[in-house]
Amino acid sequence: GQQLNQSPQSMFIQEGEDVSMNCTSSSIFNTWLWYKQDPGEGPVLLIALYKAGELTSNGRLTAQFGITRKDSFLNISASIPSDVGIYFCAGQLVGNTPLVFGKGTRLSVIA
Amino acid sequence: KAGVTQTPRYLIKTRGQQVTLSCSPISGHRSVSWYQQTPGQGLQFLFEYFSETQRNKGNFPGRFSGRQFSNSRSEMNVSTLELGDSALYLCASSYRDFDNEQFFGPGTRLTVL
Repeated sequence: GQQLNQSPQSMFIQEGEDVSMNCTSSSIFNTWLWYKQDPGEGPVLLIALYKAGELTSNGRLTAQFGITRKDSFLNISASIPSDVGIYFCAGQLVGNTPLVFGKGTRLSVIA
Repeated sequence: KAGVTQTPRYLIKTRGQQVTLSCSPISGHRSVSWYQQTPGQGLQFLFEYFSETQRNKGNFPGRFSGRQFSNSRSEMNVSTLELGDSALYLCASSYRDFDNEQFFGPGTRLTVL
């Protein structure tokens, strides 16, 4: 099946630092999404991207749909303790196919 | 508006048993997707239902099945449980079929002994 390569697998950062993570694929995707999962909960949708080159923000979060349509990036600015969790990228190849998820980036924030 | 609810939240079963998990989507949502989440494989798509019809199916054996009722509630069933079926089973709902903006429930943690 399709694979999304998400990196890094884990990150330890100081509170206040900026964070960057990315997702790449060998296939072209029509949609990219970023989710966050807290312990004991299901993933929560953070940002959805629909056009190549699109840059979208949600508060301190900014995500970009790569121009090649094979990658996406998520940046978190001025990290705070509640940013701790696992961040997943997900892509949709075409309109009637299921989402494919990356394996996640585990973010730890040191106060 | 209430979110996606899943019951039960935790289950312990033994090999060979069968299990049924339930999902109630957000009010007004007609599409329900099921995923299996494990540390090794991550989130793997199981199936999607819309208006009581299965629209998509992932690469899982026939022991995994599901259905959707007329009120959009969905159930998934796993028969002849194996140790490897231990996982967090997540349900996600969306308004339309093939909708990529999916809203997830908290999951059912299944442990097979």
